[in-house]
Amino acid sequence: DAKTTQPPSMDCAEGRAANLPCNHSTISGNEYVYWYRQIHSQGPQYIIHGLKNNETNEMASLIITEDRKSSTLILPHATLRDTAVYYCIVSRAAGNKLTFGGGTRVLVKP
Amino acid sequence: GAVVSQHPSRVICKSGTSVKIECRSLDFQATTMFWYRQFPKQSLMLMATSNEGSKATYEQGVEKDKFLINHASLTLSTLTVTSAHPEDSSFYICSARAAASAYGYTFGSGTRLTVV
Repeated sequence: DAKTTQPPSMDCAEGRAANLPCNHSTISGNEYVYWYRQIHSQGPQYIIHGLKNNETNEMASLIITEDRKSSTLILPHATLRDTAVYYCIVSRAAGNKLTFGGGTRVLVKP
Repeated sequence: GAVVSQHPSRVICKSGTSVKIECRSLDFQATTMFWYRQFPKQSLMLMATSNEGSKATYEQGVEKDKFLINHASLTLSTLTVTSAHPEDSSFYICSARAAASAYGYTFGSGTRLTVV
């Protein structure tokens, strides 16, 4: 699976949009981009995933560049409960294992 | 959505004893489950892939005789830490994916193992 690069940490203001970047320049054509987050001492929580089109659900939006070498996770209105470590993972679908990198530690401040 | 239940959430055991951790898919069948380990302030590290009805596939450097995995049914996988030592103290997490899931992989809530 392709590796990903994320900033180690970032702060954002409560109520504002949080934009989390991820680089995956070696992504293959059949690999998806997955985003998960992990709140302290809990299991990771699925957020969103996509192949090449932008995706949106009730939690977030995923913007994938046309060349698919990078993506951005957007939390539209960050709340204090969004404080967590966010992981960007690239993997083929259909049961393939997920390999976690370092993630981005996001701190939402009042 | 798909739910994965992991039990126990916390366990303290004496050095030299064995501990079993259960991972259940509550509302879907999972032919494949994954076991991860996470040390403080580190990311999740994949230990093994658990396949229903067959032997687990272990990642390089993970001792298969120490971390026994059994996936006897489509809804249950167990991880047994045998002859536990203090260095095995960690956060253990399982995950599974429903065949037709639109939600990617679902993770259990994790098990905090402390070996004293």
